[in-house]
Amino acid sequence: GESVGLHLPTLSVQEGDNSIINCAYSNSASDYFIWYKQESGKGPQFIIDIRSNMDKRQGQRVTVLLNKTVKHLSLQIAATQPGDSAVYFCAEAPTGGGNKLTFGTGTQLKVEL
Amino acid sequence: KAGVTQTPRYLIKTRGQQVTLSCSPISGHRSVSWYQQTPGQGLQFLFEYFSETQRNKGNFPGRFSGRQFSNSRSEMNVSTLELGDSALYLCASSLRGANYGYTFGSGTRLTVV
Repeated sequence: GESVGLHLPTLSVQEGDNSIINCAYSNSASDYFIWYKQESGKGPQFIIDIRSNMDKRQGQRVTVLLNKTVKHLSLQIAATQPGDSAVYFCAEAPTGGGNKLTFGTGTQLKVEL
Repeated sequence: KAGVTQTPRYLIKTRGQQVTLSCSPISGHRSVSWYQQTPGQGLQFLFEYFSETQRNKGNFPGRFSGRQFSNSRSEMNVSTLELGDSALYLCASSLRGANYGYTFGSGTRLTVV
């Protein structure tokens, strides 16, 4: 069936290190992917997106990689800061998917000082 | 510009009651979606509206309903509340739909007692 899953529920990193959060998806019809960050008490905040015709996209300190062959998505955060501590979700929007996003289960990123 | 505004932020209701949640999308956005977020089920799609028409509905009972007004503002209603309806209800808006990315509000925290 259709699902978006995250490999790790919790990721702890040292401040200043790079973080990599992974996501597996199973719907090969998905053509748009988004990473969201959710802090406690807030709604998900858009970080970066990528379309299926791209393999990589960079933002400010963040990079998203898409591997369509193995249906894998990753979010890389450079020089992780305490403010990056949050839950990160990947989401996919399948072509013809009825304008809904399917979310992964989320990864808790903890930045240690 | 103003973001997605959800009211109220917090609600406490008794089982059997009904509740109405409100969402004001970003100006110019015509697509509004609702999601339910719980620790056990994560983020689940409720429904999506575009220009006052429901385009898609998630797998929720008929007690969950919504509507969208001509100014794109949206409401969702839950009737005959159950304890399991306790959740964070998130509204998201987009220019046209999922493939254009969604911006989320801060949510309404509903507690059913």
